[in-house]
Amino acid sequence: NAGVTQTPKFQVLKTGQSMTLQCAQDMNHNSMYWYRQDPGMGLRLIYYSASEGTTDKGEVPNGYNVSRLNKREFSLRLESAAPSQTSVYFCASSEARGTLNTEAFFGQGTRLTVV
Amino acid sequence: AQSVAQPEDQVKVAEGNPLTVKCTYSVSGNPYLFWYVQYPNRGLQFLLKYITGDNLVKGSYGFEAEFNKSQTSFHLKKPSALVSDSALYFCAVRATGTASKLTFGTGTRLQVTL
Repeated sequence: NAGVTQTPKFQVLKTGQSMTLQCAQDMNHNSMYWYRQDPGMGLRLIYYSASEGTTDKGEVPNGYNVSRLNKREFSLRLESAAPSQTSVYFCASSEARGTLNTEAFFGQGTRLTVV
Repeated sequence: AQSVAQPEDQVKVAEGNPLTVKCTYSVSGNPYLFWYVQYPNRGLQFLLKYITGDNLVKGSYGFEAEFNKSQTSFHLKKPSALVSDSALYFCAVRATGTASKLTFGTGTRLQVTL
């Protein structure tokens, strides 16, 4: 099983460039998440989507936009990249309703450097 | 707002000794609690969870955790540490119910020495 797939794995951007991080899950999960991981900060939630067609801001949404394209896919867009957005980005998915199987499954991460 | 505190940035133990990684949480209502492990240059892997029922939960690789509602804690434990347990450990909380987000602590780096 593929689980959660993120692309790309690595990316270098110049300040001001835009890009979209792609995420897809094949577990039929309702909820999907985007986190960023920075040293000493743990994982901070950027945006999440509780179900297809809905998105909500997390702790650090500024500078990002998301799209829940369908149940499988949840993309993260940086419209104008800044050096402060240099980080490792993780996508995750979980099942939130009507089940005890609520643990989140994570992708392998995207290492983004903005110069 | 919900939150997770992992008070120790790093925990060092000798192989064969018991280990504890601490976690306290704050959430409205009843919590779902999780522990994840991250090895270098990898994503997070699920270790164990508390949803309901017994306060002591057992998970992968011999890890267990005890839910203490009065102390709002969910400490991760292992009776006998291995060098291969060395990694970054994250505690996470979510409130029960629909559309609830998952909040992580800042992580604790576990170092197991020979």
